[in-house]
Amino acid sequence: DAGVIQSPRHEVTEMGQEVTLRCKPISGHNSLFWYRQTMMRGLELLIYFNNNVPIDDSGMPEDRFSAKMPNASFSTLKIQPSEPRDSAVYFCASTAGMGGQETQYFGPGTRLLVL
Amino acid sequence: DQQVKQNSPSLSVQEGRISILNCDYTNSMFDYFLWYKKYPAEGPTFLISISSIKDKNEDGRFTVFLNKSAKHLSLHIVPSQPGDSAVYFCAASSGTYKYIFGTGTRLKVLA
Repeated sequence: DAGVIQSPRHEVTEMGQEVTLRCKPISGHNSLFWYRQTMMRGLELLIYFNNNVPIDDSGMPEDRFSAKMPNASFSTLKIQPSEPRDSAVYFCASTAGMGGQETQYFGPGTRLLVL
Repeated sequence: DQQVKQNSPSLSVQEGRISILNCDYTNSMFDYFLWYKKYPAEGPTFLISISSIKDKNEDGRFTVFLNKSAKHLSLHIVPSQPGDSAVYFCAASSGTYKYIFGTGTRLKVLA
């Protein structure tokens, strides 16, 4: 079975450029999460979708960050304009149900470097 | 303010010995706790969990202990194997989708 798929795996860009990260959740899962991992803060939840609807975006750091889920099999996280402090690993995760005590399954992540 | 803390960034253990990874939390509303394991260039994978109604949960070589009065949980790996070398994240939630993760502990099991 395919797990959570993320693309690209690595992204290097220059400050001010737009960055788009992509995620395909596990088929049949109806909850999707975007996380950011940094050394200082660990894994932080950025946004949570349930049935393609954004439920909690309180973790999105600034207006430069936006996320969409146009259908059950695709989500994007966009940073515009990007800044060096956005450099991190971004993970997408999905789960069946509302995500209470259901296991969240993570993708391999996108390593972003903003120069 | 970090609600879930893993104060040891790294730990080295000899193969065959016990590995003990620790995690502290501050929010008394947390009632579900998890450990995830992460290899380089991969996403975190679920390892083991425990509900606040229990104080111990065991799965093969992995046991998680929960001390609610101390707001502390630990993961024991016995015996440790070189394949256990990874970063381990603890996480907590208050019954919702929102997992609060720690910063991780890098375990190195020496052959």
